[in-house]
Amino acid sequence: QVTLTESGPALVKPTQTLTLTCTFSGFSLTTSGMCVNWIRQPPGKALEWLARIDWEDDKYYNISLRTRLTISKDTSRNQVVLTMTNMDPVDTSTYYCARTPECRANAPYYYMDVWGKGTTVTVSS
Amino acid sequence: SELTQDPAASVALGQTVSLTCQGDSLKTDYASWYQQKPGQAPVLVMYGKHNRPSGIPDRISGSISEDTASLTITGAQAEDEADYYCNSRDTSGDQVIFGGGTRLTVL
Repeated sequence: QVTLTESGPALVKPTQTLTLTCTFSGFSLTTSGMCVNWIRQPPGKALEWLARIDWEDDKYYNISLRTRLTISKDTSRNQVVLTMTNMDPVDTSTYYCARTPECRANAPYYYMDVWGKGTTVTVSS
Repeated sequence: SELTQDPAASVALGQTVSLTCQGDSLKTDYASWYQQKPGQAPVLVMYGKHNRPSGIPDRISGSISEDTASLTITGAQAEDEADYYCNSRDTSGDQVIFGGGTRLTVL
């Protein structure tokens, strides 16, 4: 059974750095074609993709947030970590991690088949 | 590039509704569709040309025409009331994009 679980602080202060961890089971991030993504959703708003990391340790970021984001993986611990610097109240969101089992560039689609339950982060002083 | 969805749609119980997702990226990438109910994480309901994950009822189907993908619910049930999002990669292939979502109401 594939599961992903997000963890991190529920509250951060403006200008602080947010660190979120996605702990997964039921698959390996060394499997060819595998990716893990981070996505967020502000209250009442749409989903926004943030970043992904693939089986070859290649990393891709949302262009508009690229300077603030860093994604990394620890395959021995089955974890993917996202850091976001200089947090602002507009970053208040539920943050999700999700698996993409086929993220090669020549795949005709990009889908996220299993999602974590999400973790809510509020940015406030 | 971006994906455009109608903000809201409604359907009478038992009737059929099609939700659309339009964008240039869909000329080269199939859309994927997610259902999200209040307080829950999104659930994948369709991807590729006609791929439906296990556990998704066959009253949900997908189609594509040029730059527009459609998700059709045939015989809508009360439990289909939810927000629906489409996604794909952008035309560069590096970015992943989501549509703004459609809130479906079952009357």
